[in-house]
Formats: sequence, structure tokens, C-alpha cells
Amino acid sequence: QKEVEQNSGPLSVPEGAIASLNCTYSDRGSQSFFWYRQYSGKSPELIMSIYSNGDKEDGRFTAQLNKASQYVSLLIRDSQPSDSATYLCAGNPYSGAGSYQLTFGKGTKLSVIP
Amino acid sequence: GAGVSQSPRYKVAKRGQDVALRCDPISGHVSLFWYQQALGQGPEFLTYFQNEAQLDKSGLPSDRFFAERPEGSVSTLKIQRTQQEDSAVYLCASSGSGFTGYTFGSGTRLTVV
Repeated sequence: QKEVEQNSGPLSVPEGAIASLNCTYSDRGSQSFFWYRQYSGKSPELIMSIYSNGDKEDGRFTAQLNKASQYVSLLIRDSQPSDSATYLCAGNPYSGAGSYQLTFGKGTKLSVIP
Repeated sequence: GAGVSQSPRYKVAKRGQDVALRCDPISGHVSLFWYQQALGQGPEFLTYFQNEAQLDKSGLPSDRFFAERPEGSVSTLKIQRTQQEDSAVYLCASSGSGFTGYTFGSGTRLTVV
């Protein structure tokens, strides 16, 4: 069973702080990882993708990937109340060329307190 | 279109009824995916199309579930003889060539009573 694990939270941080969201995965063959944000009652929205070891920054968001430890994280700097949502981590389990299926974690609920 | 469009937005079905859920992907996107999201869970993969070819249907939970994309654009997910456990949000997503993640539609919330 190829799994992506996330702490369901809720994770509460004060406004302006750094929120750190973590994810581990079981399939060593996974090549690509994604973070989606999902507001209550809405569909997931892609916010970050990462394919190689190290950090990738986009505005207030930084994704980190460590394939040796099978660990992915998302840092949100200067957290805002509008960042309050469920964050879904997803990996692309390798199952042959051209396979674009994603395995999602259950999501971590983030609350940013004003 | 500008985004992935799904209809209906909400569907209530009586147990045993057949339902059809429609997805209109972003224009030109060759890849189309269906996912099922139960309350409090992450989306779970159902099936994947590249153009009109259904390349992966390993996530379809039973033979009551059937998906098609006959002309490589609009797709329909059909559920026959619906059961209560089919109650979930059904999400459609599409992607262009290459793989950089995909864009989800707003989903269809199916409630089986």
C-alpha cells in the first residue's frame, strides 16, 4: 500500500508566525510531490510542486523535499488568517511511464489566529 | 473553458438509483482524472484518461462505477445502483502535457439516501 501520511491537526499558529506542515511517504519510487490547499467546502487548489531534494520557494511558501528520509514539508511565512485551510500533501507513486496518479494524505487543518 | 467545470454541483440519489456526473476539462488538456473525496479524507484516485483512452481504472471501487471520455474532452462518471457508501464529493481534474500537478473542478457532492 503506497501511503502519504500527515498529521491531521488542527495546527494553530498566531498571525505573522511560520506554519510548518509535514508529510511522509512510503513509496521510495515517488518522483513528484505537491501541496494543495483546500478551503472548507471547496476543491483542492495547487500551491506548490517539488521534484528534487532541497528547498523551493514561491512567495511566502517554501516546500522542502528529502527523498532519503521520505519527507516533504511546507513552510508558510508570515501566516495570515486567509491561510486557514486544510493542506493536502500528494505524491506521484511510480507505476510506469506516463502514470500521473496522485496519492493524497488526509490533510492537515491549519488555523491562523489573528 | 477557463477552468474545469463539473455538473451537477449537488446530487441527491435514492439508494439503487443510477447517477451520471459530468466533467468538462480545461480546453486542450489531454489528461483527465476522477477522484473521490469522503468527508475528512484526502482525495482518492478513481481513474485516468489520456485523450479518449482510459489508461488506468485501478481506483474504481466496484463494477458499479464506469467512466468514459469518448471524444477526448468531456468525461462522464456513471455510478449504477448507488449505495450509501458512495456518498462523497467526486472531483474531476485535468492536466496539460507533461506533469506539473493538475487543476481540480469544484466537484459534485453526491448524497445517497
